[in-house]
Formats: sequence, structure tokens, C-alpha cells
Amino acid sequence: EVQLVESGGGLVQPGRSLRLSCAASGFTFNDYAMHWVRQAPGKGLEWVSGINWNSGSIDYADSVKGRFNISRDNAKNSLYLQMNSLRAEDSALYYCAKDYSSSSNAFDVWGQGTMVTVSS
Amino acid sequence: DIVMTQSPDSLAVSLGERATINCRSSRSVLYRSNNKNYLAWYRQKPGQPPELLIYWASTRESGVPDRFSGSGSGTDFTLTISSLQAEDVAVYYCQQYYIAPLTFGPGTKVDLK
Repeated sequence: EVQLVESGGGLVQPGRSLRLSCAASGFTFNDYAMHWVRQAPGKGLEWVSGINWNSGSIDYADSVKGRFNISRDNAKNSLYLQMNSLRAEDSALYYCAKDYSSSSNAFDVWGQGTMVTVSS
Repeated sequence: DIVMTQSPDSLAVSLGERATINCRSSRSVLYRSNNKNYLAWYRQKPGQPPELLIYWASTRESGVPDRFSGSGSGTDFTLTISSLQAEDVAVYYCQQYYIAPLTFGPGTKVDLK
């Protein structure tokens, strides 16, 4: 079964850092691009960042550029999101999503998400 | 950035009736070299992550019921649910993957009438 399981969310103060992880299973992880998508409570979907199969192409939303860093470890079938200088507006449910191909495309598998709350 | 808009914001449809959702992109998402529209549709049921319904604007994802269909090209697209079922009560999003930053529409909420 293809599965994505996010972890690392929690309550953090503004200005602090948090690292999210996504454990992938059931497919050949290093064949596919991966993404982070977030959803603030009661709001729509916002793409945060994407990384291609070999980490050779990385993109970020303008809202997180310079503060967030996406990475992957193909040997560990894992995707990461290092979030620095967190702001209240970063509070959201963060989904890990598998791309349909090796580079940016539609997202065919989603995790259940991990909640990040930025508050003092 | 490509801005995605959707209409209507919400709609209420009776069981078995047709639901139509529109999506528009601020610039074309048609890649002429392969004649593909880089446009996807997702359904998000309450309390669940989104699920992919349609990609390349009109290709149904494996396992998606054939009551779902996508159409359109360039900047204007449509998702049609031919016969609404109870499990289709959800928010529907379109998304362009033509160019980063990848962007979603604001969503269309579908309820039962």
C-alpha cells in the first residue's frame, strides 16, 4: 500500500524553528518528485515547496522562500521540511504529497498531515 | 504567479443531478510542445486530505468513478459530476502545475440540496 506519514508538527513560538518529516512506503521513492502543501484551518490549499527526484530542482512559494528548506533522503525514503523564522501565518496542517512523476506534476498520493501551530 | 479562480464559490445539487465547477487560470497552462494542459482537479471530503480526480485537464485518475469528467484548454476548465452521489459532498480544487509556484484555486464547496 502506498503511504505517506507526516510527523514533527506541534506548537512553536514565533521566530522559532521546526522540522517536519514524511515517511514514504509502498512505492519507489526515488522515482518521484515530492511536495509539501499546507492548509490553514477552514481555508484552502497552498503549495509550499517541491523537490524533484534527485534534489536537483527545488521550488518554494514566495511566502516561505528564504525561511523554509525542503530536502529528501532517498536512502531513507523520507522527505523533510525545515521551517525557520516561523510566523503566526504559517499555522496550518502540513501535507506531504507524492508527485505523479519525477518532476512537478499533479499530486496522486497525500498523507494525513501534521499540524503546526505558531503562537506565543 | 499564475492565479487560479473558481466559480461558483459553492453550489447545492440534488442526488443524481449534475454539478458543474469552473476554473480559470490567469495565463494559459497549455504547453504547446506536447499539447497538454497542466491542470488537475482534487476532491477534499470533510476531515480528509485531498484526492486526485483528474490530471492533464481531462484524464481521470485510476479508480475515480466515470461520473467525474474534466474538460477545457488554455485558461478555462470545467469539472463535471454527471450524477452527484452523497460521497461527493466535498470541496473541489483546481490546480495548475505548468510552472512554479504551483497554485490552487480557492475551492468550490458542493453540498446536497
